[in-house]
Amino acid sequence: EAGVAQSPRYKIIEKRQSVAFWCNPISGHATLYWYQQILGQGPKLLIQFQNNGVVDDSQLPKDRFSAERLKGVDSTLKIQPAKLEDSAVYLCASSKVAGSSYEQYFGPGTRLTVT
Amino acid sequence: DAKTTQPNSMESNEEEPVHLPCNHSTISGTDYIHWYRQLPSQGPEYVIHGLTSNVNNRMASLAIAEDRKSSTLILHRATLRDAAVYYCILRKNNAGNMLTFGGGTRLMVKP
Repeated sequence: EAGVAQSPRYKIIEKRQSVAFWCNPISGHATLYWYQQILGQGPKLLIQFQNNGVVDDSQLPKDRFSAERLKGVDSTLKIQPAKLEDSAVYLCASSKVAGSSYEQYFGPGTRLTVT
Repeated sequence: DAKTTQPNSMESNEEEPVHLPCNHSTISGTDYIHWYRQLPSQGPEYVIHGLTSNVNNRMASLAIAEDRKSSTLILHRATLRDAAVYYCILRKNNAGNMLTFGGGTRLMVKP
């Protein structure tokens, strides 16, 4: 089965610009996650969707980050305006069912560099 | 939230077994123990998980202490491809499958 797809793989922008990342989860996976991974650290959950509803966005900096999952499939994560500290790898993951022990499947990530 | 403690790094020789420890002294009765690993320039991948009993799968074995305050991920025969960062994560059964990653253990495998 096809894995989690993300695009672009790399992005370089200047501070105060905006950027968007796209994620296509594994077919049939109801739950979708966005993580931020700063160099040398473990991934940090930003937002979790169950179908097209938000389950948890407590760690999403809502003044500049937004995410949506229209129709419960693809998702986009946007940053506007970007700051230097947003430089990180943004990982998308999906899983079959929330509230179970099912594993999360991660995409390759988008490496964002803010200059 | 219960936290995990892992060594920052470990070394192993190729084709030898590797035991990766994890301490989780504040684990609660409903917390699952998950292990993920992240190869260079890739997203994390699931390795194994357990609740109370030891678990085996094609990738590894998970040994859970009787008091559940620690666990050990066992790679039976390390290969160069196993060089990665290994994350030990506690997942609450009511947390919507959310994972809180720590710093993990960087495993280096020497040929």
